[in-house]
Amino acid sequence: GNSVTQMEGPVTLSEEAFLTINCTYTATGYPSLFWYVQYPGEGLQLLLKATKADDKGSNKGFEATYRKETTSFHLEKGSVQVSDSAVYFCALGGSQGNLIFGKGTKLSVKP
Amino acid sequence: DTGVSQDPRHKITKRGQNVTFRCDPISEHNRLYWYRQTLGQGPEFLTYFQNEAQLEKSRLLSDRFSAERPKGSFSTLEIQRTEQGDSAMYLCASSPRWGLSRAGDTQYFGPGTRLTVL
Repeated sequence: GNSVTQMEGPVTLSEEAFLTINCTYTATGYPSLFWYVQYPGEGLQLLLKATKADDKGSNKGFEATYRKETTSFHLEKGSVQVSDSAVYFCALGGSQGNLIFGKGTKLSVKP
Repeated sequence: DTGVSQDPRHKITKRGQNVTFRCDPISEHNRLYWYRQTLGQGPEFLTYFQNEAQLEKSRLLSDRFSAERPKGSFSTLEIQRTEQGDSAMYLCASSPRWGLSRAGDTQYFGPGTRLTVL
């Protein structure tokens, strides 16, 4: 069945460091791919999405490219800030419109 | 646009009691989803509605779980005879009418209801 595997955390970085959070998926067809973020004490928010192969989603300095050949959707940011500290979830669109999530990666950014 | 709201935000109950959670989606969103999230895991899909029709319920965790969306607006999730293993965050999400791509619509999540079963 469809599934998502993302890199386990926690990830601790210094401010202005480069961030990569790996995400790979297994799916039939060509589902949409998403990154959601959960800030401390808040609900899940969409960070970015891509709906077809080679699409790049971007928002708030974060980017991810839908790579069909490697079945990946890695999240990157060139220079993280303390305010980026959160849990990041990779997800793919299921056949019923539901989302299938990875386990989440906790990011802590130190000043 | 007030976003998706859930009530209550926290619920503490004793094992064996019934609990009911409410979700109010973004108005004009046709689809409503329920998920469960346990500590250290991503949300797990439970069920969903298109307007008032419940189109998938086989993912509900047991027959103690049920959900309704009687008028196609708010929804309730009920857990009967709660067990300690039911302790989790219950999330609701809504999305607009399903687009041409099968799974492309963004889902908007509420803040969740945290259930603790003693």
